[in-house]
Amino acid sequence: DAGITQSPRYKITETGRQVTLMCHQTWSHSYMFWYRQDLGHGLRLIYYSAAADITDKGEVPDGYVVSRSKTENFPLTLESATRSQTSVYFCASSKRTESSYEQYFGPGTRLTVT
Amino acid sequence: QKEVEQDPGPLSVPEGAIVSLNCTYSNSAFQYFMWYRQYSRKGPELLMYTYSSGNKEDGRFTAQVDKSSKYISLFIRDSQPSDSATYLCAMLETGGFKTIFGAGTRLFVKA
Repeated sequence: DAGITQSPRYKITETGRQVTLMCHQTWSHSYMFWYRQDLGHGLRLIYYSAAADITDKGEVPDGYVVSRSKTENFPLTLESATRSQTSVYFCASSKRTESSYEQYFGPGTRLTVT
Repeated sequence: QKEVEQDPGPLSVPEGAIVSLNCTYSNSAFQYFMWYRQYSRKGPELLMYTYSSGNKEDGRFTAQVDKSSKYISLFIRDSQPSDSATYLCAMLETGGFKTIFGAGTRLFVKA
C-alpha cells in the first residue's frame, strides 16, 4: 500500500536493550523525520534526513542513531534504552520543493521502556 | 522561551460552538503557518496552511495570521463531535524544510 508505515506499532523493552524502530515510505520523498511526542512537549525532532546517506541531528538526538541507505527507509535505533525514552515516536516525510510545508506522518510507534 | 507557544488545553465546548485555537511565535522569519489535526492514537494530518499574513477559509475552518503580533489562530465554526482531536500549529521558514510544532491543544466537542 502507498503511504508511510511504521513498525512495530507497540513495543515494550527493558532498560539497556537496543531497539530499532522502522519507517518506510512509498512516495520517494526526499526528506524524512523522526519525532517523539510527549505530554507537555508536543512533537520534538530527533533526527532528520534530506536524502539517502544524508542525516543530521534535531532538537533531542542524544541516545538515538539513524541511518538512511535507501530513500524509502529511515530506521531509528535506541542504542541502550532508558525509561526517559518511553514515548510515542512518529516518522514523517515531505517532498523536496521550494518550501516543504506539508509533512506526511506515519501512525506512530508506542514505546515503553521498563 | 520556545519558538512556538500553544496552550495545551484541554478545551471543552458544546456542539455547535465556535472554537478559537491560538499560537504565538518568536521567529520573524516564519512564512508558512500550518495547522495539523491529530486524532487519538493516530499521526498528525495537515488541515490547513497559510503563506505570510492574512486569512484562509476552508469550509467550517478559518486560519488567520497576524505577523505584526506574531500570532496565529484557527477558528472552527459549528463545531462537531468529530472535530474532537488535538490541533497542532506549525511554522516554517521560506526555503526551509524543518517545521517547528506547537505543543498541541486538545479539543473536546460534546454532543
